[in-house]
Amino acid sequence: EIVLTQSPGTLSLSPGERATLSCRASQSVSSSSLAWYQQKPGQAPRLLIYGASSRVTGIPDRFSGSGSGTDFTLTISRLEPGDFAVYYCQQYGSSPPWTFGQGTKVEIK
Amino acid sequence: EVQLVESGGGLVQPGGSLRLSCAASGFPFSIYTMNWVRQAPGKGLEWLSYISSGSTIIYYVDSVKGRFTISRDNAKNSLYLQMNSLRVEDTAVYYCAGGNYDSGNYYWGQGTLVTVSS
Repeated sequence: EIVLTQSPGTLSLSPGERATLSCRASQSVSSSSLAWYQQKPGQAPRLLIYGASSRVTGIPDRFSGSGSGTDFTLTISRLEPGDFAVYYCQQYGSSPPWTFGQGTKVEIK
Repeated sequence: EVQLVESGGGLVQPGGSLRLSCAASGFPFSIYTMNWVRQAPGKGLEWLSYISSGSTIIYYVDSVKGRFTISRDNAKNSLYLQMNSLRVEDTAVYYCAGGNYDSGNYYWGQGTLVTVSS
């Protein structure tokens, strides 16, 4: 089983600042099969990034994903009020279980 | 508009059973793989089960193997999760999710709450 470890657990930033979220895998994620999700309270997760760096249609370009192998990053270039939420990474490589990270909460400073 | 609508959640006693349903519309359900994912109160996301488009390949996370059964009916655009021998630790919001990650077309329902308590 691939374990995903996200850091930091909580990120306290102000609107307009840059957010950098990390997701580290216990073993290499095949074919960069890594997704990033945003979840707000009481809502379902929303897919932002797939294939480690491809942005879903309609997702603002201030969201970007990068990385390969075992180290992945989600960057939000300039935080807007609606971006304060919990972010999860998930690997969906060749073999189950398709695990999630424990989440990073981006909160208003 | 793509919609996945879960139903069937509720309060059940430990050891009991529930059957969750997920009705899909607005996308080609029959060609997409589908999954169930859950989220315990205040916790993170946990992938539970996968079913291929033709139901020929099925996977489960170890914690639900032998207790939960995933199935689908492509004629009815519906996904199911039969949950038996429920435990207190199965209390969570259960989401159906599916699509094609390779194209970025991956969809989630709004979830249904399952509470296991005496």
